[in-house]
Amino acid sequence: EVQLVESGGGLVQPGRSLRLSCAASGFTFDDYAMHWVRQAPGKGLEWVSGISWNSGSIGYADSVKGRFTISRDNAKNSLYLQMNSLRAEDTALYYCAKVWRVGIQLFDAFDIWGQGTMVTVSS
Amino acid sequence: IQLTQSPSSLSASVGDRVTITCRASQGISSYLAWYQQKPGKAPKLLIYAASTLQSGVPSRFSGSGSGTDFTLTISSLQPEDFATYYCQQLNSYSTFGPGTKVDIK
Repeated sequence: EVQLVESGGGLVQPGRSLRLSCAASGFTFDDYAMHWVRQAPGKGLEWVSGISWNSGSIGYADSVKGRFTISRDNAKNSLYLQMNSLRAEDTALYYCAKVWRVGIQLFDAFDIWGQGTMVTVSS
Repeated sequence: IQLTQSPSSLSASVGDRVTITCRASQGISSYLAWYQQKPGKAPKLLIYAASTLQSGVPSRFSGSGSGTDFTLTISSLQPEDFATYYCQQLNSYSTFGPGTKVDIK
């Protein structure tokens, strides 16, 4: 079964850091670009960051650029999001997602999503 | 690139034909996807490349458009279709539309 499982969320104070992980299974992880998408409580979807299959192409939303860092370890079938200088507005459910097509550098539709991990930034 | 969706919400009955519009602030060719999200669940891909139905998605869903104007149509609304629908552009980085909530009339 193709599956993505996020972890690492929690309650964190403003200005602190958190690292999210996404464990992939059921597909050849290093064939696909991967992304993080977040959803604040009761709000819509916001693309956060993406990384190509070989980490050669990376992109960030303006709202997180300079504070968040995406990375992947293909040997461990894992995707990561290092979040620094967290703000209250970063409070959201964070999903990892897989692009549907093999070999796409970075952007394509997302066919598989995890269940999300909740990040709450509050003092 | 900004995306707008209309309407922001609608009430419909089972069997109704439903059309949701997504407009991009600049041309995005056919780099558009549509998702369905139910409460407490992750989004589900319905359509990619503006009009291609994702495998396993019922044929009552269809998409059309290119450039700046796109539509998602549900030909005959079913009980399981009550949800929020999002468009996503993939031409320049990625952004999502604000969503359209479809509920029961």
